[in-house]
Amino acid sequence: DVKVTQSSRYLVKRTGEKVFLECVQDMDHENMFWYRQDPGLGLRLIYFSYDVKMKEKGDIPEGYSVSREKKERFSLILESASTNQTSMYLCASSSPPGGDYGYTFGSGTRLTVV
Amino acid sequence: AQSVTQLDSQVPVFEEAPVELRCNYSSSVSVYLFWYVQYPNQGLQLLLKYLSGSTLVKGINGFEAEFNKSQTSFHLRKPSVHISDTAEYFCAVPIIQGAQKLVFGQGTRLTINP
Repeated sequence: DVKVTQSSRYLVKRTGEKVFLECVQDMDHENMFWYRQDPGLGLRLIYFSYDVKMKEKGDIPEGYSVSREKKERFSLILESASTNQTSMYLCASSSPPGGDYGYTFGSGTRLTVV
Repeated sequence: AQSVTQLDSQVPVFEEAPVELRCNYSSSVSVYLFWYVQYPNQGLQLLLKYLSGSTLVKGINGFEAEFNKSQTSFHLRKPSVHISDTAEYFCAVPIIQGAQKLVFGQGTRLTINP
């Protein structure tokens, strides 16, 4: 089974800190995604990457950046954390149609910014 | 771009009762469709998917969904629910056919009462 591992389940950070959320997948998937999930708003795409060093903005990229230096690792960076970035962050990876199409999600990181 | 609509934000049912969670998609052409489940404080897990073939798709934990092209629906059903089915359920479709980006519905929170 594909595994997507997010490095932290819970994080508490201070306003203004630079925050790194790490995600690693072990099945050689080309595509990786970062979502945030908030009550009543569902899942919103922040960034996705379709190859090493390739990235594309999602629906809510402001205040975030990403890094994909290796195929298995996709990092989400909060440049200067703010309280409105308190949320559940979900990482996912996927393979193309024809294979085991669909996302595999990590367990999520619940980030609180104080 | 394709989209999905989950018609119910919350569905309360009694244990051992049947349940149907509704999902309608926007495209009139062939689509791939997915249902994901999110248990409390966890990431999303693939429940089932329709890519082609039989319109009745069976998934994990006794769930099934039926692809109905004329109704543009992909409703999720279970004949008898258990307390452990308490979770949030998300319907998803690729943003365009064959794309890697999935668009998620707003989610349906299924609550099972004893």
